[in-house]
Amino acid sequence: EAGVAQSPRYKIIEKRQSVAFWCNPISGHATLYWYQQILGQGPKLLIQFQNNGVVDDSQLPKDRFSAERLKGVDSTLKIQPAKLEDSAVYLCASSLGGRGGRYNEQFFGPGTRLTVL
Amino acid sequence: DAKTTQPTSMDCAEGRAANLPCNHSTISGNEYVYWYRQIHSQGPQYIIHGLKNNETNEMASLIITEDRKSSTLILPHATLRDTAVYYCIVRVRGDWAGKSTFGDGTTLTVKP
Repeated sequence: EAGVAQSPRYKIIEKRQSVAFWCNPISGHATLYWYQQILGQGPKLLIQFQNNGVVDDSQLPKDRFSAERLKGVDSTLKIQPAKLEDSAVYLCASSLGGRGGRYNEQFFGPGTRLTVL
Repeated sequence: DAKTTQPTSMDCAEGRAANLPCNHSTISGNEYVYWYRQIHSQGPQYIIHGLKNNETNEMASLIITEDRKSSTLILPHATLRDTAVYYCIVRVRGDWAGKSTFGDGTTLTVKP
C-alpha cells in the first residue's frame, strides 16, 4: 500500500515570498490533515478536511495560510507571504475517516521542511 | 481536551523493556489514549490506542490504570530502531483538533 506522498521535501524561501506544498493521501482515505511542526515541538493541527470540505481550520492563520482539497483527493497548502516564524516541517496525514478503519488512525507523510530566511 | 504529562526524556538498554509513562488526570469518559512515535526526520507513526482496557498489538502494549488517570506504553524488547519521540495523546475518537495536538512527547533513547 502506497503511503502519503508530499512534495517538495525541502524548500528555502525568503520572507514575504509565497510557497505551496502538495499532498497526495492514501487512496480511499476521506480525511486529510495538515500539521505544522516547529523544531523541538510536537505537530500542531492546522486544518482537517473530510472529503473536500473543511472540518476544522481553527488553528490556521488565515491571513497568510490557505489550503484546498479539490475533488476530495490531493491537497495543497499555501503560505503567502511567508514570515520567519513559518520555518517548520509541514506534515500531511490521512485517515479513512468516518466510523471506518482503525479508529481514525492517521498515516503521516514524510513532511516538507520549510526554511524562511 | 485532557492535558497529558510525559517525561522529557528516557533511556533504555537494547533488549530490555521500555516503559513510557503518561499522566492524563483530567481525561473524560469518552476520551481515548493514543500513542504515536516519531523517528528522526519522519512523520509520526501510530502505535496503539485504548479506552479503559489494556491493549496489545505487534508493536507494543498499553496499560491504562483503573481510574484512567495514567497509562504506560511498553515496548517489550527495545531495539536501537525504537529510538524516537513518543507522544501520548488523549482525544475523543477521531477528533484531532486543538492547539497542542501532540504535545512535546518523550524522547526515548535506546542504547547498545
